[in-house]
Amino acid sequence: GAVVSQHPSWVICKSGTSVKIECRSLDFQATTMFWYRQFPKQSLMLMATSNEGSKATYEQGVEKDKFLINHASLTLSTLTVTSAHPEDSSFYICSARPGQFREKLFFGSGTQLSVL
Amino acid sequence: AQRVTQPEKLLSVFKGAPVELKCNYSYSGSPELFWYVQYSRQRLQLLLRHISRESIKGFTADLNKGETSFHLKKPFAQEEDSAMYYCALTLPFYGNNRLAFGKGNQVVVIP
Repeated sequence: GAVVSQHPSWVICKSGTSVKIECRSLDFQATTMFWYRQFPKQSLMLMATSNEGSKATYEQGVEKDKFLINHASLTLSTLTVTSAHPEDSSFYICSARPGQFREKLFFGSGTQLSVL
Repeated sequence: AQRVTQPEKLLSVFKGAPVELKCNYSYSGSPELFWYVQYSRQRLQLLLRHISRESIKGFTADLNKGETSFHLKKPFAQEEDSAMYYCALTLPFYGNNRLAFGKGNQVVVIP
């Protein structure tokens, strides 16, 4: 089956630094990838939709300049948390969809970000 | 905006007992409903979707538009069913599969 690789799985950083999270589709091309975040004991919340070769579409309330998304190729999307603060500490998950399966999404294993 | 509600956070059942996870949604149209599962230390994966009308790992879910529900059921729980389950919704013809998730249910199957 299709595999989505997300890296790193766990990162700790100092407040004010930037962190980049990668999401790769390993055996399929993904024109669209999605980024979610999950706070403890809460649901997965869609942050943005990443489209290859174009600007990402952000959900209401998500800061574009804070969470930079780049989808430079059909197999890679990156999420950069800029000038991270402790409130950005969360679990971030990406998902991708093979072009031929309209509904089926494949998820990365997630990244736990802890900002000190 | 569409919303997905999963009322029980933690559900403990004995092995062999039936398990039912409730999911209600609020949307006036005809959404597409899904159940996703996350086993311990594994990634989130699709369990089943209502349009497929299939049974996966013994689980079934029926979309009830009158009650706006999509409850997940399994007649005989197994230990390997212990996991986190998320109900999710997407709007048809949305174009890019934006999903709205419920808060999830932690299922613990007691041997």
